[in-house]
Amino acid sequence: DAGVIQSPRHEVTEMGQEVTLRCKPISGHDYLFWYRQTMMRGLELLIYFNNNVPIDDSGMPEDRFSAKMPNASFSTLKIQPSEPRDSAVYFCASSFHKDTQYFGPGTRLTVL
Amino acid sequence: GDSVTQMEGPVTLSEEAFLTINCTYTATGYPSLFWYVQYPGEGLQLLLKATKADDKGSNKGFEATYRKETTSFHLEKGSVQVSDSAVYFCALTYTGNQFYFGTGTSLTVIP
Repeated sequence: DAGVIQSPRHEVTEMGQEVTLRCKPISGHDYLFWYRQTMMRGLELLIYFNNNVPIDDSGMPEDRFSAKMPNASFSTLKIQPSEPRDSAVYFCASSFHKDTQYFGPGTRLTVL
Repeated sequence: GDSVTQMEGPVTLSEEAFLTINCTYTATGYPSLFWYVQYPGEGLQLLLKATKADDKGSNKGFEATYRKETTSFHLEKGSVQVSDSAVYFCALTYTGNQFYFGTGTSLTVIP
């Protein structure tokens, strides 16, 4: 299996622009997670889905952030409008039932 | 609530030294416990796990034993290599649908 795939790997944008991060989970996995990692706050869970349905979005920082999972093989995390404090590495992870999470390589976002 | 506490880093060791990274947890039930490793510029990778008390997880020379009596899951390796330089995360989960990660411990191994 190719593992969890994320795109783009790097994104540089200007404040106020819309940013869309993409994730393809491992085939057959029924859970998908979005995390954000910064030096200051470490690894934070933003939202997770089960069978394409958002279960807990309490970690989403504010309304500028939104996530969707239109089907079992694709999810997006959107930031609109982006701000410099959103600069971080964003990870997607997937898992099968109640088991190990497998992480993607991450998207490094820089908002100028 | 449920949580994981890891020893503060960074940790710097010479090659072939013994490694211990402490992890303790707070949980109301019987979670599964994990160690993940993050190499520079990469995502987190599962290193080892244990699903019940007294289980020992092991991989690549690393070991950790699930100690219910001390609520601990300390990571150990007898002889570290330069290639082990990374950030190590302890984590727990009950239902599998939410992981509680520690803050990470950075390890640097010098030749």
